[in-house]
Amino acid sequence: GENVEQHPSTLSVQEGDSAVIKCTYSDSASNYFPWYKQELGKGPQLIIDIRSNVGEKKDQRIAVTLNKTAKHFSLHITETQPEDSAVYFCALPDKAAGNKLTFGGGTRVLVKP
Amino acid sequence: DSGVTQTPKHLITATGQRVTLRCSPRSGDLSVYWYQQSLDQGLQFLIQYYNGEERAKGNILERFSAQQFPDLHSELNLSSLELGDSALYFCASSVVPGVETEAFFGQGTRLTVV
Repeated sequence: GENVEQHPSTLSVQEGDSAVIKCTYSDSASNYFPWYKQELGKGPQLIIDIRSNVGEKKDQRIAVTLNKTAKHFSLHITETQPEDSAVYFCALPDKAAGNKLTFGGGTRVLVKP
Repeated sequence: DSGVTQTPKHLITATGQRVTLRCSPRSGDLSVYWYQQSLDQGLQFLIQYYNGEERAKGNILERFSAQQFPDLHSELNLSSLELGDSALYFCASSVVPGVETEAFFGQGTRLTVV
């Protein structure tokens, strides 16, 4: 099955600084690369996704970059705010298995005011 | 609000018991996924149903089973519970499984086995 590695596992940043989380995968035919945010006591929520026909996608302070050749995609958060503190997961859908998601190990982001 | 409803939110039960977790998918979504989240294993896929039929299976224990009913709600049954089954159980739904698109997650059921 698909193997997804996510780094770092924890990330502490000062408010206003940037945060970058990277995921690498082993072998995927997926053309869809989502990022989920999980706040305490809640389920994961999609915050941004990218399809393989583009290399970068931005949504306000959040961006995702994709390098299919190198098999990695990254989440970038600029001008971090305390409400960005959460656990972030990258994921890969498995087209051969109903698009069930294989998740990275998660990154706990703490934004210090 | 994702539109996916899970009940109960919390469940405390003893070892050896059986519990049922319930999930109502978003209106219009035909596919339901169950995931287990534990501290040491992260988010792990258990099983998927599409329009009432089992579609994909992950590392789901034989003590666990699931089904999807004609109204598309799903239930995850966990039996002969062990301490190690304590975890968060999430249900997610999507429109159809063959399309790479967003999966919407419920708030989860926190199961504690004592």
